[in-house]
Amino acid sequence: ETGVTQTPRHLVMGMTNKKSLKCEQHLGHNAMYWYKQSAKKPLELMFVYNFKEQTENNSVPSRFSPECPNSSHLFLHLHTLQPEDSALYLCASSHEAGVPETQYFGPGTRLLVL
Amino acid sequence: GQNIDQPTEMTATEGAIVQINCTYQTSGFNGLFWYQQHAGEAPTFLSYNVLDGLEEKGRFSSFLSRSKGYSYLLLKELQMKDSASYLCAVRDGNYQLIWGAGTKLIIKP
Repeated sequence: ETGVTQTPRHLVMGMTNKKSLKCEQHLGHNAMYWYKQSAKKPLELMFVYNFKEQTENNSVPSRFSPECPNSSHLFLHLHTLQPEDSALYLCASSHEAGVPETQYFGPGTRLLVL
Repeated sequence: GQNIDQPTEMTATEGAIVQINCTYQTSGFNGLFWYQQHAGEAPTFLSYNVLDGLEEKGRFSSFLSRSKGYSYLLLKELQMKDSASYLCAVRDGNYQLIWGAGTKLIIKP
């Protein structure tokens, strides 16, 4: 596979569930990102990892917990979510964070919280 | 605060030309990106402007005026497959990407 992949593509969960989103990039990049995309709103940057170190946490609630075991994999662990957390969660990667690099996106996980 | 403005939705006819505008107010500037996003798919990179002027890439062109805080994406010879959302994003002085809400482009036969 090439590019950025995300699983699952769709997820429905209750507010008491625990689930994880997975992202994998096959581009040899060193930076990975989690974004939240809600309808008719700008992309919201959630977390940034650069060389496996978290460099950004944009005031994201603790019910979202990222994990980056290596430069190719990124997880977003979810627990006790709220209905307003329903959105498209996009993963992206770039060669390196903090420089003018193009970001490459995965197809996203469409999350519905009931 | 930092802000990116672009129209919410535009409609154009197959074969025609459409211009999607983007205005920005950011703390510093380190480049402007345009991405295309088809419904249910990943945003894909279209263009990058860091200097004033027009960048042409096939049917798509992107223009930047840093003094006016303004960019546009020009799509020529529109095809039905161009129906998508077009996202404008600016990299600010701290190299943070600031995103617009996107412009949904509807192409009619």
